[in-house]
Amino acid sequence: DAKTTQPNSMESNEEEPVHLPCNHSTISGTDYIHWYRQLPSQGPEYVIHGLTSNVNNRMASLAIAEDRKSSTLILHRATLRDAAVYYCILRGSGGYQKVTFGTGTKLQVIP
Amino acid sequence: GAVVSQHPSRVICKSGTSVKIECRSLDFQATTMFWYRQFPKQSLMLMATSNEGSKATYEQGVEKDKFLINHASLTLSTLTVTSAHPEDSSFYICSAQGQVKPYEQYFGPGTRLTVT
Repeated sequence: DAKTTQPNSMESNEEEPVHLPCNHSTISGTDYIHWYRQLPSQGPEYVIHGLTSNVNNRMASLAIAEDRKSSTLILHRATLRDAAVYYCILRGSGGYQKVTFGTGTKLQVIP
Repeated sequence: GAVVSQHPSRVICKSGTSVKIECRSLDFQATTMFWYRQFPKQSLMLMATSNEGSKATYEQGVEKDKFLINHASLTLSTLTVTSAHPEDSSFYICSAQGQVKPYEQYFGPGTRLTVT
């Protein structure tokens, strides 16, 4: 499995934008970049995914580098409910593809 | 988004007993289900992958005779922890993948197992 590298933790002030980086230098051409987040004592929640182009949804935006070796999850206005561990994951495109979790980034939101 | 449920959400059992955890996809057919284990302050660790009607594929180091997985239908998979011991106490999470969007995985809320 291609690996991802994320900072262990980050802090953000409430109502401020947050940029969560992820490096994936060994990504293959068919790997999608997925982001999940996990609130305490809950299962992971899908946030967003993309292949090459930047993506937006109601939860976040995903900015993907042109060489695809890194990506950034953008939360436009952090709220206290966004405090969670954010996982950046690479996943193949077809059929059964297992998701392997790295250590993720623990985001702390300061009121 | 798609919904995956787990039952029970919490279970306490005595050492040596077996515990069954159910994972259901509520509004889609899950061709593949995954089982994870998560210890406190650690990331999720994939235990096994099951395809409906087939035997589960276990990750290295996971005992298949201890963690029995059954995926008998497109909406239900079960994980049975046999002869549980305190070191099996953990947070067990399932996830499901459908045919329509195989690139998306939907996770259950998790089951907290405590073995006394």
